[in-house]
Amino acid sequence: NAGVTQTPKFQVLKTGQSMTLQCAQDMNHNSMYWYRQDPGMGLRLIYYSASEGTTDKGEVPNGYNVSRLNKREFSLRLESAAPSQTSVYFCALRGGNEQFFGPGTRLTVL
Amino acid sequence: DAKTTQPNSMESNEEEPVHLPCNHSTISGTDYIHWYRQLPSQGPEYVIHGLTSNVNNRMASLAIAEDRKSSTLILHRATLRDAAVYYCILDNYGQNFVFGPGTRLSVLP
Repeated sequence: NAGVTQTPKFQVLKTGQSMTLQCAQDMNHNSMYWYRQDPGMGLRLIYYSASEGTTDKGEVPNGYNVSRLNKREFSLRLESAAPSQTSVYFCALRGGNEQFFGPGTRLTVL
Repeated sequence: DAKTTQPNSMESNEEEPVHLPCNHSTISGTDYIHWYRQLPSQGPEYVIHGLTSNVNNRMASLAIAEDRKSSTLILHRATLRDAAVYYCILDNYGQNFVFGPGTRLSVLP
């Protein structure tokens, strides 16, 4: 029972490159989230998905797209990476009153 | 979204109790008070939550003021492993969490 898994753990991109961050869960919860965390700050919500096939913008969606093709997986895509997107990205899911977080992906954009 | 206010940092000695305060003066009647913590290089993890009454679990206690405009997370005996950033979050079920900068707790041996 892995809970929430994220791949990759680390990634370095050049400005303008694209990539997809993957998140998968084995907890069978409907709601999933993508956050970013910049140094010394709290987490900020990028996108969320209340259920399979639905997605909504959070606080900081610009520059990102998401996909929720099935209940288990929620991916975050950067189409044209910028240095301002250097951050740690966390996937989370909600079960009842609790959110469960993945280990994070540390992304650096040069 | 209702906001919370926490001190930026606190220090505690190992094996002593720690009281982490949180102000939430604009809390609504249906907002739950949640506490999460984030250990270094990890994602946040759930600590405790409550609505009106004080709550206890194996990790901590949550004391909620009678007017619900403030709350305190209590770690009964701090250990070095409790050094983390602690977030106080208001949750109206179905809405999204709003994370502030939290309180960075340092535990001194």
